[in-house]
Amino acid sequence: KAGVTQTPRYLIKTRGQQVTLSCSPISGHRSVSWYQQTPGQGLQFLFEYFSETQRNKGNFPGRFSGRQFSNSRSEMNVSTLELGDSALYLCASSLGSASTYEQYFGPGTRLTVT
Amino acid sequence: QKEVEQDPGPLSVPEGAIVSLNCTYSNSAFQYFMWYRQYSRKGPELLMYTYSSGNKEDGRFTAQVDKSSKYISLFIRDSQPSDSATYLCAMSSGAGGTSYGKLTFGQGTILTVHP
Repeated sequence: KAGVTQTPRYLIKTRGQQVTLSCSPISGHRSVSWYQQTPGQGLQFLFEYFSETQRNKGNFPGRFSGRQFSNSRSEMNVSTLELGDSALYLCASSLGSASTYEQYFGPGTRLTVT
Repeated sequence: QKEVEQDPGPLSVPEGAIVSLNCTYSNSAFQYFMWYRQYSRKGPELLMYTYSSGNKEDGRFTAQVDKSSKYISLFIRDSQPSDSATYLCAMSSGAGGTSYGKLTFGQGTILTVHP
């Protein structure tokens, strides 16, 4: 069974631009969670989607948004990029519905903002 | 204070040693406890998860949870150089409300197993 895939793997953007990252979950998984990983803050939860609905959101500004499609694929968008947004962005999928603790991660997208 | 505390190490051990990795937490609502391994420039890989208190064994790995002390451990027996990675503990209170899809992670412990 194929794992979680994320595209692109690397991105370099300029301050003020916006970026869209994509995540395809494991087949059959309906929940997708997004995390930001930085050396200083570690892994921090951004938001979770299930059946095209955002069910949970972490403490990030509104510049961070996401969506999920009917095939469970998910995208996240960051608008008006800041230098501090440089990070590894990870998505994780789980079966969803009740059990979202057993999460499987993709390889991540490394975003560099200059 | 962070909800989950994990000693960042680094931890360096000789091949064949028993490794002990630990996390403490403050949120008594946590019910599910996970351990992930992350190699450099890769995504975290789920090693094992435990529900509530108790022990769970999988090959060379043993996870222990002591909810009364809010303390979890991962033991690696017969450690190998290929075990060199960052180990992350993660916790969840389960489904519902502000728990949906959210894992709370420790900072990670960097482990090096040298031949």
